[in-house]
Amino acid sequence: DQQVKQNSPSLSVQEGRISILNCDYTNSMFDYFLWYKKYPAEGPTFLISISSIKDKNEDGRFTVFLNKSAKHLSLHIVPSQPGDSAVYFCAATSRGSTLGRLYFGRGTQLTVWP
Amino acid sequence: DTAVSQTPKYLVTQMGNDKSIKCEQNLGHDTMYWYKQDSKKFLKIMFSYNNKELIINETVPNRFSPKSPDKAHLNLHINSLELGDSAVYFCASSQEAGFGTDTQYFGPGTRLTVL
Repeated sequence: DQQVKQNSPSLSVQEGRISILNCDYTNSMFDYFLWYKKYPAEGPTFLISISSIKDKNEDGRFTVFLNKSAKHLSLHIVPSQPGDSAVYFCAATSRGSTLGRLYFGRGTQLTVWP
Repeated sequence: DTAVSQTPKYLVTQMGNDKSIKCEQNLGHDTMYWYKQDSKKFLKIMFSYNNKELIINETVPNRFSPKSPDKAHLNLHINSLELGDSAVYFCASSQEAGFGTDTQYFGPGTRLTVL
């Protein structure tokens, strides 16, 4: 039973445009959310996170939005660049009660074309 | 200067064999993890150790046995390998455990194929 869902396995965007990656979760105890990026033959690397006390967190070209009532978060990349092409994993956790356990979605393959 | 390293990168073996995957981190972190990414691409935690002590043990067959000789190393030994064990196994580490907010740093993964 997946508690974190990424329903779009792939997304293709032209360079310079906005990429929007979506993630839904089912566990209302989750209060901290993360995005990881993964290139082929490498491990996931941390990208950006957001606490449930916020609804937006921005870091350069990357912004994560959280809608707690809908149990939905999204990652916006503006402008998208070819180097952003990777698999993006959404992850969630409950601070203090999961011993650092992260629950991951199955990832969305982003392709940014010139 | 790799932060989290795993060996081997690829492992092909026959059913029934016993194999080990090694993981080392040079970040000085207290907590290490093993994750499994199956054929459906789900990344799921298997184990986590904090200062050589097991703190997370998910529902994993007891054929899988983690060993932490020191806090910089967390090895995964698998007995009597089965076809369903074929997956990519990722090691990770973080500074602390218990809050989930610490960034976890992942190794490059070990692709295990059981024939």
